[in-house]
Amino acid sequence: KNQVEQSPQSLIILEGKNCTLQCNYTVSPFSNLRWYKQDTGRGPVSLTIMTFSENTKSNGRYTATLDADTKQSSLHITASQLSDSASYICVVSADDYKLSFGAGTTVTVRA
Amino acid sequence: DAGITQSPRHKVTETGTPVTLRCHQTENHRYMYWYRQDPGHGLRLIHYSYGVKDTDKGEVSDGYSVSRSKTEDFLLTLESATSSQTSVYFCAISGLADQETQYFGPGTRLLVL
Repeated sequence: KNQVEQSPQSLIILEGKNCTLQCNYTVSPFSNLRWYKQDTGRGPVSLTIMTFSENTKSNGRYTATLDADTKQSSLHITASQLSDSASYICVVSADDYKLSFGAGTTVTVRA
Repeated sequence: DAGITQSPRHKVTETGTPVTLRCHQTENHRYMYWYRQDPGHGLRLIHYSYGVKDTDKGEVSDGYSVSRSKTEDFLLTLESATSSQTSVYFCAISGLADQETQYFGPGTRLLVL
C-alpha cells in the first residue's frame, strides 16, 4: 500500500529561526512529490513540486529536497515568519495520477 | 482558492439525516474530487469525477454518493449521516493537461451529532 509518513507531527519555532520537515514515502511507481501549505480554515495550496530527476526546488524561503533512492524528502523553511504558521503536507503522486497524502506537520511560529 | 467555492461552509446535523455538500468551480476543469480530512490522517479521497456524469469511488466511499450533472458542480451526499462522518470536507479540481495539480476549495466543516 502506498504510504506517506511525515515527521515531526508538530513543532514550535521562534520567529526568524529555520526548521526542517521530513517526509518518507513508499509510493511506487513514483511520479512526483509536492509540498502543500494549509493555513487554518483553508484548503491546501501547492508550494513546490519535484519529479524523479530533481533533487531540490525553492519557492522563496521554502526549499524542498528529494532523494528518490531513499524515498525521502524534506522541506526547509528559512528565517521563519509568523505567516509560516500552518500545516505542511507532503503529497506523492504515482504514475496513475493517484495521490497519497501525508498527515501533515503543524508548524507554529512564535514572536 | 482558484475559483472554487463550497457550500455550506459549516453544518451541524443529526445522525440519520441526509446531507448534501456542494462544490462549484469557475475554471472549467475536467476533474473534480471530494476528500475528507481528519486529525492524524492525510486527506482521503471519497469520490472523484472525470467528466459530466462520470464518477468513480475513492478509498473511503462507503456511506457517500456523488453526482455531477454540470461541469461546474460536484455534489457530495451523505444519505444517512453518522457521527463517523464528522469531518472537514474538501473539494478539489484539476485540468486535463495537468491532472496531478489539484486546487482545493476552502472546505466544509460538518458535525454530525
